[in-house]
Amino acid sequence: EMQLVESGGGLVQPGGSLRLSCAASGFTINNKYMSWVRQAPGKGLEWVSVIYSGGGTYYADSVKGRFTISRDISKSTLYLQMNSLSAGDTAVYYCGSGVVESASHYYIYYAMDVWGQGTSVTVSS
Amino acid sequence: EIVLTQSPGTLSLSPGERGTLSCRASQSVGASYLAWYQQRPGQAPRLLIYGASSRATGIPDRFSGSGSGTEFTLSISRLEPEDFAVYYCHQYGSTPLTFGPGTKVEIK
Repeated sequence: EMQLVESGGGLVQPGGSLRLSCAASGFTINNKYMSWVRQAPGKGLEWVSVIYSGGGTYYADSVKGRFTISRDISKSTLYLQMNSLSAGDTAVYYCGSGVVESASHYYIYYAMDVWGQGTSVTVSS
Repeated sequence: EIVLTQSPGTLSLSPGERGTLSCRASQSVGASYLAWYQQRPGQAPRLLIYGASSRATGIPDRFSGSGSGTEFTLSISRLEPEDFAVYYCHQYGSTPLTFGPGTKVEIK
């Protein structure tokens, strides 16, 4: 069974840092794109960051310069290093993975179909 | 950035009725990289539809997606009790990836 399990959430003071992890089991992440999506209390889904199978990374403007996405393919684990946290970063953080297929001269992307259960981050003094 | 707008914000229906949810994009979604997710309270999002109209594995055929370009629709033919939830559209064709604000389908 393909599964993602997030960890690393918790309570952190404003200005602090936290590193989230997302461990994959039942599949390898090297041919997937992996993303972090967050959901503030009572709000909708907000995309945070993505790392593509080729290693390219992108961020939402709200976290650019403060968050860093990375992966360890050998450990099948995705990370999100979060620095300079503020109350606005309080949310449940989900990781998701989507399939990438290689065609002759391009890639085909599929929507994220495997999601973790989420890890809660609370930024408060 | 592709901004997604969903309507209505809330849809009040009875079990057995048909539901139609709309998602409009501020610019064309490349290769129809538009997905629909269902989220129940306290749960992670669940993929229903990808590529605008393809059902994900294990999704009942009462769920169907249609559309292209900037206009997309999710239809639920006969609402079951477990279908009352929040539905999000999501474009994954260009960065930044974006989600719509969601449509809550509630019991009338």
